Amino acid sequence: DAGVIQSPRHEVTEMGQEVTLRCKPISGHNSLFWYRQTMMRGLELLIYFNNNVPIDDSGMPEDRFSAKMPNASFSTLKIQPSEPRDSAVYFCASSVQGTTGELFFGEGSRLTVL
Amino acid sequence: KNQVEQSPQSLIILEGKNCTLQCNYTVSPFSNLRWYKQDTGRGPVSLTIMTFSENTKSNGRYTATLDADTKQSSLHITASQLSDSASYICVVWTGGGNKLTFGTGTQLKVEL
Repeated sequence: DAGVIQSPRHEVTEMGQEVTLRCKPISGHNSLFWYRQTMMRGLELLIYFNNNVPIDDSGMPEDRFSAKMPNASFSTLKIQPSEPRDSAVYFCASSVQGTTGELFFGEGSRLTVL
Repeated sequence: KNQVEQSPQSLIILEGKNCTLQCNYTVSPFSNLRWYKQDTGRGPVSLTIMTFSENTKSNGRYTATLDADTKQSSLHITASQLSDSASYICVVWTGGGNKLTFGTGTQLKVEL
């Protein structure tokens, strides 16, 4: 059974460029989360969706960040324009709403902005 | 403010030794507490879940404890192996609304 699939695994880009990260949640999971992980701050919730609808985007740092979930099997996190301080590992996770709160994480997308 | 604090921040032990990681939380309401293991370059994976009524739970060489009165949890690793080298993250769930509070993790390194 496939887990959460993220792409790309690694992205190196220059400041000012647009970055798009992609996520395919586990089939049947109706909640999807985007997290950012840095050494200094650990895992930070950026946004989460229930049934494809954004519920809480209070963690999205700035208007440069946007996320979409056009259907139950796909989500994107976009950064435009990117800045060096956006360098981090971005994780997508999915879960079944209303259960025990267990998150199933993807392998992450490591973003480096030069 | 809901918070989860973990200690130590990092730990180095020799293979075969035991160790204990600590998690203190001030999350309310409390539904459950999970310990996740995150290998380098991978996403976190749930090791164990502790609910309000549970004091101790084992998963192989991992034993988690929970004291709901003092709002403390620990993760004890017995007879450590090199593969235990990872970050261990404590996460508390309030129940409903997907309200999860993450600790910043303990980085464990097991050496020969």
